[in-house]
Amino acid sequence: DTGVSQDPRHKITKRGQNVTFRCDPISEHNRLYWYRQTLGQGPEFLTYFQNEAQLEKSRLLSDRFSAERPKGSFSTLEIQRTEQGDSAMYLCASTLSTGTSLGEQFFGPGTRLTVL
Amino acid sequence: ILNVEQSPQSLHVQEGDSTNFTCSFPSSNFYALHWYRWETAKSPEALFVMTLNGDEKKKGRISATLNTKEGYSYLYIKGSQPEDSATYLCAFSGTSYGKLTFGQGTILTVHP
Repeated sequence: DTGVSQDPRHKITKRGQNVTFRCDPISEHNRLYWYRQTLGQGPEFLTYFQNEAQLEKSRLLSDRFSAERPKGSFSTLEIQRTEQGDSAMYLCASTLSTGTSLGEQFFGPGTRLTVL
Repeated sequence: ILNVEQSPQSLHVQEGDSTNFTCSFPSSNFYALHWYRWETAKSPEALFVMTLNGDEKKKGRISATLNTKEGYSYLYIKGSQPEDSATYLCAFSGTSYGKLTFGQGTILTVHP
């Protein structure tokens, strides 16, 4: 399977615990995005990487959230001291961008986080 | 704050009906408009990426139009089938690096 994969697919945790999600993009894709979707809403942008550089972070990404993309390959999103409001679907997407071309973003199946 | 609105929020149709949804978005700083189909427990699937005013794109029974001057796009499904049941999302890109602002989606249910 050469699509975008995310792990785990589901995560249930207790308030105050730390969680980490992983995204493996399509191998040649240089841009990687994280989005979050809460019930009844469309996905909201969190952050994006151009290769290994994190170039924009949304105001939604509080200091409890950190994302990395070492070596410009897979990415991790960590949430420290989880709160019930963090419960959501976390989506990862990737694309191959050359110059200003805007190709489609390929999404993974998401990680559904439930904070009890 | 960018506002991307989709209507209707949900739609129930009978197999064989044709249907359409609307996406409205800011008419300034436009780079692209994306349409996605998202079935339960699957990844969102890209349907179209549209960049030019007046664009019309078609994939099988699904087509889309784009009006960047007035800030709207229509998605049409001809002869709906039960397998078309999904959430249809539109997403506006106002940046050169592809950051997407999504609408809240239209949930389509096609009854056999």
